[in-house]
Amino acid sequence: AQSVSQHNHHVILSEAASLELGCNYSYGGTVNLFWYVQYPGQHLQLLLKYFSGDPLVKGIKGFEAEFIKSKFSFNLRKPSVQWSDTAEYFCASSEAGGFKTIFGAGTRLFVKA
Amino acid sequence: KAGVTQTPRYLIKTRGQQVTLSCSPISGHRSVSWYQQTPGQGLQFLFEYFSETQRNKGNFPGRFSGRQFSNSRSEMNVSTLELGDSALYLCASSGQGNGYTFGSGTRLTVV
Repeated sequence: AQSVSQHNHHVILSEAASLELGCNYSYGGTVNLFWYVQYPGQHLQLLLKYFSGDPLVKGIKGFEAEFIKSKFSFNLRKPSVQWSDTAEYFCASSEAGGFKTIFGAGTRLFVKA
Repeated sequence: KAGVTQTPRYLIKTRGQQVTLSCSPISGHRSVSWYQQTPGQGLQFLFEYFSETQRNKGNFPGRFSGRQFSNSRSEMNVSTLELGDSALYLCASSGQGNGYTFGSGTRLTVV
């Protein structure tokens, strides 16, 4: 069965530190991959997505993610975090052409000012 | 354009009762998905609808059901509520498979 695993449940960083959140998916076929973010008190919103093509995907607010097919990974990165990046981040995958998106358990990021 | 609208925002129900939640997707989005979000289980997929047809269903008991209307609005129903059904129920709409736009959710508390 399709599954998504996020390595860290909680991450604490200081402002200006670099961020990398791990994500692995289990499906062996063609997948679509996503990162969503939920800021405190707000609803989930799409950060970036990968369907095909360049494996390095750039999203909003300076975030990027790299799809590494051989490692079944789609890690989220940001070179320098800000206090406003404090949020919960969810990795998600769906089979290409499928009708169900599976979410990881989420990573809570706290950025210290 | 207006986002995904879920009503009501909050609900308190008693065990054994039933509840209906509503979702209005973004205009033009024909796919509507429902998720249950809890602190312990994260986001669990309930079902997905497209043009009034359920295309996929998650691993939830038959007490959980849904439907979609011709205007793409969707409802989900939970019958014979249990304490464990307390959760945030999220609706998400999608157009052309470009990822979800989520609503703010309905927080259901079963007492």
